[in-house]
Amino acid sequence: QKEVEQNSGPLSVPEGAIASLNCTYSDRGSQSFFWYRQYSGKSPELIMSIYSNGDKEDGRFTAQLNKASQYVSLLIRDSQPSDSATYLCAVRSSNTGKLIFGQGTTLQVKP
Amino acid sequence: DAEITQSPRHKITETGRQVTLACHQTWNHNNMFWYRQDLGHGLRLIHYSYGVQDTNKGEVSDGYSVSRSNTEDLPLTLESAASSQTSVYFCASSEGDSKNIQYFGAGTRLSVL
Repeated sequence: QKEVEQNSGPLSVPEGAIASLNCTYSDRGSQSFFWYRQYSGKSPELIMSIYSNGDKEDGRFTAQLNKASQYVSLLIRDSQPSDSATYLCAVRSSNTGKLIFGQGTTLQVKP
Repeated sequence: DAEITQSPRHKITETGRQVTLACHQTWNHNNMFWYRQDLGHGLRLIHYSYGVQDTNKGEVSDGYSVSRSNTEDLPLTLESAASSQTSVYFCASSEGDSKNIQYFGAGTRLSVL
């Protein structure tokens, strides 16, 4: 089992829809979780961080964390073509403190 | 504005040559990291540093070295470049607080021929 797992996609949604990106992790002691967005040919850019169970909202983005199920998700409301990118889930290891990245989910928002 | 810069942005070299990729940050962050990103493997940690004179190996450190002589810089050296080291390399830094938010440079695309 990979430490951080994401469906590679592509996930295709129409413009204006809600995009739901999912991530599971194996380290039950992890306390810090991050979502990065990476456009093709560019570097990862932090869009959300979450540390407590529940939802955290920032504009059109909502991160959801369920530590009991070892599951973190990212919802993008009113998806725009400019949201088309690869979304990387990252989890901070409770043993080493280092970030462990998933392989990313490619999102395509179609006009 | 504070930032993290990598140079060069693109590099072509030959197998067996020594190559150094530069990373410079102006946030005064204690922690600095080097990753490589390849299709099918995602981001993999090469080396990292938690402060001046501190360096540590990541999961794919063979053939790479780093040194940390000041807070701002963490150069990555490929001792003898191999074709398997063709990749995109990202440098990142973080404050070292409990949140450990990492910020990435623009990346260096390295081709070893």
